[in-house]
Amino acid sequence: AQTVTQSQPEMSVQEAETVTLSCTYDTSENNYYLFWYKQPPSRQMILVIRQEAYKQQNATENRFSVNFQKAAKSFSLKISDSQLGDTAMYFCAFMKQYAGGTSYGKLTFGQGTILTVHP
Amino acid sequence: GAGVSQSPSNKVTEKGKDVELRCDPISGHTALYWYRQSLGQGLEFLIYFQGNSAPDKSGLPSDRFSAERTGGSVSTLTIQRTQQEDSAVYLCASSLALEQYFGPGTRLTVT
Repeated sequence: AQTVTQSQPEMSVQEAETVTLSCTYDTSENNYYLFWYKQPPSRQMILVIRQEAYKQQNATENRFSVNFQKAAKSFSLKISDSQLGDTAMYFCAFMKQYAGGTSYGKLTFGQGTILTVHP
Repeated sequence: GAGVSQSPSNKVTEKGKDVELRCDPISGHTALYWYRQSLGQGLEFLIYFQGNSAPDKSGLPSDRFSAERTGGSVSTLTIQRTQQEDSAVYLCASSLALEQYFGPGTRLTVT
């Protein structure tokens, strides 16, 4: 079984600054995917960024980037130039890659980090 | 296009009653997932359907929980004889590939 741990229940950052959210995971799998999801007060979960475990290069999406350390089983999210709209709960999630390289499977989530961006 | 929709958005029920929660996935998405979000347990997987394969029910917490997906589209999650610990937000997601698209959830309150 996989476990995902987010050790920061709450974080805050000033607008325009940079913040890093931490995530560690435990698995015996070698092939898997990692995700960061954002859940604003509206409850709608939105995918922020994903990382395939076989890729050494860290994923980036505009102001969002990850630091993926496979050996350490660490997957942190860096948000640059924070904006008020980034205020939300952020979830780190793990998905095992099933036989045949299928893209379907259940997500295992961490406990979440509430991020507040202050003006 | 239309996203994943769920109904009702809020449901209050008395302990012991049965409830049905509905999920309309994005058209054409072959996979459909149910998750539960509660204060005590966080976000946890319940069940998922993929095409015509047998559903993965490994996350259902008890036999009071069941789900079906009719015609490869709409899904209904049924909770029988509800208990107070069933109070949570029930999230549905659908996917065509790796990314799961979530609905806004149904907040269930059992009194």
